[in-house]
Amino acid sequence: DQQVKQNSPSLSVQEGRISILNCDYTNSMFDYFLWYKKYPAEGPTFLISISSIKDKNEDGRFTVFLNKSAKHLSLHIVPSQPGDSAVYFCAARGISGAGSYQLTFGKGTKLSVIP
Amino acid sequence: EAGVAQSPRYKIIEKRQSVAFWCNPISGHATLYWYQQILGQGPKLLIQFQNNGVVDDSQLPKDRFSAERLKGVDSTLKIQPAKLEDSAVYLCASSSQGVGAEAFFGQGTRLTVV
Repeated sequence: DQQVKQNSPSLSVQEGRISILNCDYTNSMFDYFLWYKKYPAEGPTFLISISSIKDKNEDGRFTVFLNKSAKHLSLHIVPSQPGDSAVYFCAARGISGAGSYQLTFGKGTKLSVIP
Repeated sequence: EAGVAQSPRYKIIEKRQSVAFWCNPISGHATLYWYQQILGQGPKLLIQFQNNGVVDDSQLPKDRFSAERLKGVDSTLKIQPAKLEDSAVYLCASSSQGVGAEAFFGQGTRLTVV
């Protein structure tokens, strides 16, 4: 039962253009969403987050949009740079069966920015 | 600020052997997580500690996996006996306010079971 889905395993974008990474979720009780970036042989690094009460959060070149009715969020990177090439994970916060907050991750999307 | 430290970085063992991973979280972080990331998948939570108490271990295969966090700081994750399907990257993460505040990850331990 995959509650957080990233349906695109990979994405290639030209340097300077916009990168759009998508994420869908099924659990309407998720109340917080995060994006992580992961380089090879390193752990995931937090990038940006958004609360379920908002529809947009912006941080420099990175913007996350949330559409609660569609249970969909997206990460926009403008302009894309070669250093942005990495695997991007979408994560959502919910309550586990044990009653604690828990992050559920998608499978990730590998972004390649072509110089 | 020092990040989350994990060791070893890589480990190769034969099936049915045992293995242990170590994690030192960011100083002052009360919450510590162990995740398993199988190739091509996202990280999956195995166990969550708040200080030295277990908050959630519902996804930990307790017949072979165990974890402890003595004194609410360092943590170890053990697998005994290992199976081929345990081959994965084991990630440790910590956060200061529990989930919601971002979690900071270590570099992970890549385990290969042959």
